[in-house]
Amino acid sequence: GEDVEQSLFLSVREGDSSVINCTYTDSSSTYLYWYKQEPGAGLQLLTYIFSNMDMKQDQRLTVLLNKKDKHLSLRIADTQTGDSAIYFCAESIGDYKLSFGAGTTVTVRA
Amino acid sequence: GAGVSQSPSNKVTEKGKDVELRCDPISGHTALYWYRQSLGQGLEFLIYFQGNSAPDKSGLPSDRFSAERTGGSVSTLTIQRTQQEDSAVYLCASSSGLAGLYEQYFGPGTRLTVT
Repeated sequence: GEDVEQSLFLSVREGDSSVINCTYTDSSSTYLYWYKQEPGAGLQLLTYIFSNMDMKQDQRLTVLLNKKDKHLSLRIADTQTGDSAIYFCAESIGDYKLSFGAGTTVTVRA
Repeated sequence: GAGVSQSPSNKVTEKGKDVELRCDPISGHTALYWYRQSLGQGLEFLIYFQGNSAPDKSGLPSDRFSAERTGGSVSTLTIQRTQQEDSAVYLCASSSGLAGLYEQYFGPGTRLTVT
């Protein structure tokens, strides 16, 4: 089955690191994604990782993949107020589908 | 336009009425998706169009839901005899449809409220 799970809420102080965790079920997923949704906007691709990688770093973002445990995480360094948003984890299913989690609402407090 | 656009941005309708939601994908994108986003839920896949191929309708929740894509571009999602449980944000996304990394570009969504 296709089921992506992530915690619903995360509160973090400005300047600290945020870590958002996700578990997925399809071991054949080729790509795993993190999307960001700001209020009133559609989802925007933040970063992705190919399934044969363990880690990917892109400026303040670090993605870690534990394929054995089907666990994906997103770390945001030096979290800013502009990082407040809903973050969705997604796994690829077959050739064209994505299965999304429910989203983690990140609130950055001063 | 530069991105995916959807209209209307908000729609309030009475239970039992039909509604049409429109999506304009990015020019040249052959793949188009419709999703439903309910409060506290992940994105629920509804339907997928790719070029001239038969659409994947496996996510449509009932026969009250239908979608078409005319000329390989604009798509319309129609919900007949709306019910209160249809209230949600309906998101459209398009992609270049290339195999492998298929980044989906999302529109801002249509918020549907059924009273």
